[in-house]
Amino acid sequence: AQKITQTQPGMFVQEKEAVTLDCTYDTSDPSYGLFWYKQPSSGEMIFLIYQGSYDQQNATEGRYSLNFQKARKSANLVISASQLGDSAMYFCAMREGSFFNAGGTSYGKLTFGQGTILTVHP
Amino acid sequence: NAGVTQTPKFQVLKTGQSMTLQCAQDMNHEYMSWYRQDPGMGLRLIHYSVGAGITDQGEVPNGYNVSRSTTEDFPLRLLSAAPSQTSVYFCASSYSRRDTQYFGPGTRLTVL
Repeated sequence: AQKITQTQPGMFVQEKEAVTLDCTYDTSDPSYGLFWYKQPSSGEMIFLIYQGSYDQQNATEGRYSLNFQKARKSANLVISASQLGDSAMYFCAMREGSFFNAGGTSYGKLTFGQGTILTVHP
Repeated sequence: NAGVTQTPKFQVLKTGQSMTLQCAQDMNHEYMSWYRQDPGMGLRLIHYSVGAGITDQGEVPNGYNVSRSTTEDFPLRLLSAAPSQTSVYFCASSYSRRDTQYFGPGTRLTVL
């Protein structure tokens, strides 16, 4: 079963506008972490933002924010004031388990979605 | 710090050949992992290690071996390359299993 779903294969946005990239997840574990990575055309994977399942507030990192809706199991990435350099593939990922059950074999592994290609138009 | 380094950047193999993809990090990270990226499938975990001498299988381990003799290095060995192993391979590391994983630049492998 797909644990991370990114339903938007491609998204387009005008420069300086905001854009939301969708991510839904599936887990029965009460403790988990959600990550967003950016992959530009050069191929490297760049960490953007992290949200823990117990975090009370939505994570923010500069122009990136994570719209975390726990009941809906969604963790959408919001990019404000889009720039041409934001054009890239974006991946949502989940880490299940907690530090306190670190003996569990699943803890630490990342499960990735299929990605969304974002194109920023001038 | 050089971060996570991977060599080679590109490699072409013939079916049946073996080779080792190198991964090293200089951040004293305990947790290291290998992923493969195929079009339309995101990244999938091949093998991971929680520390020197400890490795375990991920989602797609068949056809690959790993070892972790030092904290710094985590090589991935292809035993007998197959066209299905054509992919981009990423190595990642984190200070511990609870921390954010940082990725190397990747190795693009083609098996003919």
